Amino acid sequence: DIQMTQSPSSVSASVGDRVTITCRASQGISSWLAWYQQKPGKAPKVLIYAASNLQSGVPSRFSGSGSGTDFTLTISSLQPEDFATYYCQQANSFPLTFGGGTKVEIK
Amino acid sequence: EVQLVESGGGLVQPGGSLRLSCAASGFTFSTYAMHWVRQAPGKGLEYVSAISYNGDSTDYANSVKGRFTISRDNSKNTLYLQMGSLRAEDMAVYYCARRGDRGHYYVDNWGQGTLVTVSS
Repeated sequence: DIQMTQSPSSVSASVGDRVTITCRASQGISSWLAWYQQKPGKAPKVLIYAASNLQSGVPSRFSGSGSGTDFTLTISSLQPEDFATYYCQQANSFPLTFGGGTKVEIK
Repeated sequence: EVQLVESGGGLVQPGGSLRLSCAASGFTFSTYAMHWVRQAPGKGLEYVSAISYNGDSTDYANSVKGRFTISRDNSKNTLYLQMGSLRAEDMAVYYCARRGDRGHYYVDNWGQGTLVTVSS
């Protein structure tokens, strides 16, 4: 199975800050990576698919980059509604695997 | 609007069985592959199973292989997960999820989830 390692596991940031979350795959997955946002008590929501493609309706302050084994999710200017937990997921092969999550908290 | 509504969760004893259902609407169900993903209380997301658009191909996480069966009825726009030999570690919110069509095996829509509690 492909292991997905996210870092950091949590980050404290202020509104307006730039936040970067990284995800590393244990083997190459080309660009087959997705990012999700999850708020407490809610289902996840896709932000980015195929590493860098913004899902329709997602604000442009979210961006993704990377290929192979190393990927990044960037929030260019953190907004109050962005405080949540973020997960990466390798979309290359079964079994699908998720990173452990990054909780973005208010500083 | 895509809607995925899970049902069938509840309390079950260890070793017991449960069948989850997911009613889909707002899209052509028979043309999309579907997944089940679960989340134990306070934990991260875990892939459970997937099924192709026509049901011909299925996949399972090692943790549920041989105990869970995914299926679908395209005439009823419904996805199922038959769960057997349930263990304490199967306790989780189970999400029905639609596979996106633009980037291999990612999810573009999720249900609200149904809670499965395994306890004596």
